Amino acid sequence: EAQVTQNPRYLITVTGKKLTVTCSQNMNHEYMSWYRQDPGLGLRQIYYSMNVEVTDKGDVPEGYKVSRKEKRNFPLILESPSPNQTSLYFCASSLLGLRFYNEQFFGPGTRLTVL
Amino acid sequence: KQEVTQIPAALSVPEGENLVLNCSFTDSAIYNLQWFRQDPGKGLTSLLLIQSSQREQTSGRLNASLDKSSGRSTLYIAASQPGDSATYLCAVTRNAGGTSYGKLTFGQGTILTVHP
Repeated sequence: EAQVTQNPRYLITVTGKKLTVTCSQNMNHEYMSWYRQDPGLGLRQIYYSMNVEVTDKGDVPEGYKVSRKEKRNFPLILESPSPNQTSLYFCASSLLGLRFYNEQFFGPGTRLTVL
Repeated sequence: KQEVTQIPAALSVPEGENLVLNCSFTDSAIYNLQWFRQDPGKGLTSLLLIQSSQREQTSGRLNASLDKSSGRSTLYIAASQPGDSATYLCAVTRNAGGTSYGKLTFGQGTILTVHP
C-alpha cells in the first residue's frame, strides 16, 4: 500500500531532550516536506526537500533540522525542544514536487508535547 | 510574504445544498493552488490542484476556480452530503524560480458541517 508513515504518532518529552520524528514513504517520491499545525495558526511549512541531499527552509524552520540521505526517509530533528514546539506535525511527499500536477500525500501526523 | 485567507472560518449547511468556500492570497506570483480536505485527527487529502495558467478544475461534485490576478480561488461543492463534513484548506505554491516552488503556504481552513 502506497503510504507515508510517521513515528512516533504520539510523544511527550521534556525541554532540551533531543528527539527525532521519522518520516518514510514507499512511493519513490522526490519531494518531501514537514509541516506543523497549531490552533489559530493553521498549517505551516518547516522544511522541504526536492530530492536526496537537497533541502530548504519553509516558513518556520527555527529550532528544527532535517536531512535527506536517502529518497524514502526525511527525519525531523529537534536538537533542544522547547514548549513552543508542542504541536501536531505532518510529513508529506509527492512524486515530482509542487510545480507539477501531482498529488501530495500526507502522513497520519505526530502529536508532540514538550513539557 | 504570502498570506492565505479562507472565508468563512466555519459553515453549517443542510444536506443537499450547494456551497462555496473562498480562498484569497496576497501574492499573485503563484505556481499553483491546491485544495485539501482534513478529517478530524487525520492527515490531509488532496482534492484538486489548479495550475496558475488554468481557470478551473473539476472532480466529481467538486469544482475549483482560480483568478490569479485578483488573488482568489473558490471551491464549489454540489449537492453536499454529511460525508463532506471536514476541514477544507487551500494552499498556494510560490513561483519565484529555483527551489521556491517547494514552498507551500496554507490558509487556516473552513470547517464544514453538513447535517442530515
